[in-house]
Amino acid sequence: NAGVTQTPKFRILKIGQSMTLQCTQDMNHNYMYWYRQDPGMGLKLIYYSVGAGITDKGEVPNGYNVSRSTTEDFPLRLELAAPSQTSVYFCASSYVLGGTHSGYTFGSGTRLTVV
Amino acid sequence: GENVEQHPSTLSVQEGDSAVIKCTYSDSASNYFPWYKQELGKRPQLIIDIRSNVGEKKDQRIAVTLNKTAKHFSLHITETQPEDSAVYFCAASRSQFYFGTGTSLTVIP
Repeated sequence: NAGVTQTPKFRILKIGQSMTLQCTQDMNHNYMYWYRQDPGMGLKLIYYSVGAGITDKGEVPNGYNVSRSTTEDFPLRLELAAPSQTSVYFCASSYVLGGTHSGYTFGSGTRLTVV
Repeated sequence: GENVEQHPSTLSVQEGDSAVIKCTYSDSASNYFPWYKQELGKRPQLIIDIRSNVGEKKDQRIAVTLNKTAKHFSLHITETQPEDSAVYFCAASRSQFYFGTGTSLTVIP
């Protein structure tokens, strides 16, 4: 049981490049989330998904896209990377039943630098 | 959407003293209130949580209280130790999680 696995752990992108941050969970959680955390700041929700095939925007979705084709995977796509997207990205998942959360777990993070 | 405010942003205490961190939320429909500890360069880790049908929960040196009427909840750490030094985040949730801005706690030996 690996929990929430994120890859890569570190990445440097040039302005205008694209990349996909991978996130996989093996806990059969129905909800998955992507956050970004800027230095010394809190967590801002980018996108979330309540189940396979369903995604929704969070607080800061601009410049990102997501998909949820399976329960396990929730990749985050950056198109046309910009310096403002330099941040640490955390994926998380939880099990929600009847409006009640349990087992909310974070991945280990991806540190992204755009130069 | 939900708005979570957290205070103070920094807190220094002497080892052995207590630390209290407070959060307020705006959405009365929020029903789950977790607290996370994040050490430098690591992922946030859940340390304690409380649901809206409970007023207080305790786990060894850590306790959380919830006042639904006033829409605020607090983290209490007693007998603080240097290893408690970290950034602590509160969150309020219904379906999405909304996080506070964090409190950097330093425990001085």
